[in-house]
Amino acid sequence: EVQLVESGGGLVQPGGSLKLSCAGSGFSFSGPGMYWVRQASGKGLEWVGRIRSKANSYATEYAASVKGRFTISRDDSKNTAYLQMNSLKTEDTAVYYCTSTYYYGPGAFDIWGQGTMVTVSS
Amino acid sequence: HSALTQPASVSGSPGQSITISCTGASSDIGTYSLLSWYQQHPGKAPKLIIYEGNKRPSGVSNRFSGSKSGNTASLTISGLQAEDAADYYCCSYAGSNTLVFGGGTNLTVL
Repeated sequence: EVQLVESGGGLVQPGGSLKLSCAGSGFSFSGPGMYWVRQASGKGLEWVGRIRSKANSYATEYAASVKGRFTISRDDSKNTAYLQMNSLKTEDTAVYYCTSTYYYGPGAFDIWGQGTMVTVSS
Repeated sequence: HSALTQPASVSGSPGQSITISCTGASSDIGTYSLLSWYQQHPGKAPKLIIYEGNKRPSGVSNRFSGSKSGNTASLTISGLQAEDAADYYCCSYAGSNTLVFGGGTNLTVL
């Protein structure tokens, strides 16, 4: 079964850090880019960032709202992508999804995890 | 980059057709063909239903179709069914290796 499973969410104080993991299975994890998308409660989807494949030098890009605070990485030997979140703000509170463009190419998020909740609060 | 603009809500009766618009700018929808649509039911992860503007992934009903004109993309759902009630999001490439989502549209099947 093709799937992505996120973990690592939880409650953290403003200014704190948290690292999310995204484990893939059932497909060639090392091939496609891996993305993070978040969704605040009752709100829409927000693209957070991406890490490309080894063939593309593991290049990363980020949304302006998280640039300089969040870092995406991946360990293809473990079929896992990560989202390191530093200097967290209350507005970072959201469900964080990892997703991939495995089947249908750039811009088509065709595999999604179930999401992990991050709450930033004192 | 600003979010794409979608109507907050649309509604239709079973069997009818509805269209959801997604308005961007010449820097995103107007220039690039990487436009996708997602369906999200409450408490669930989004599901890809249209990619590259008008292509359907395997297994997605042909009642879903996409189109684009200028800076606006559209998702049409024909033969509405109760199970189509969900939130719908558009997403476009926005240049500089970034992507932007629309604000989402809640579809009610009356």
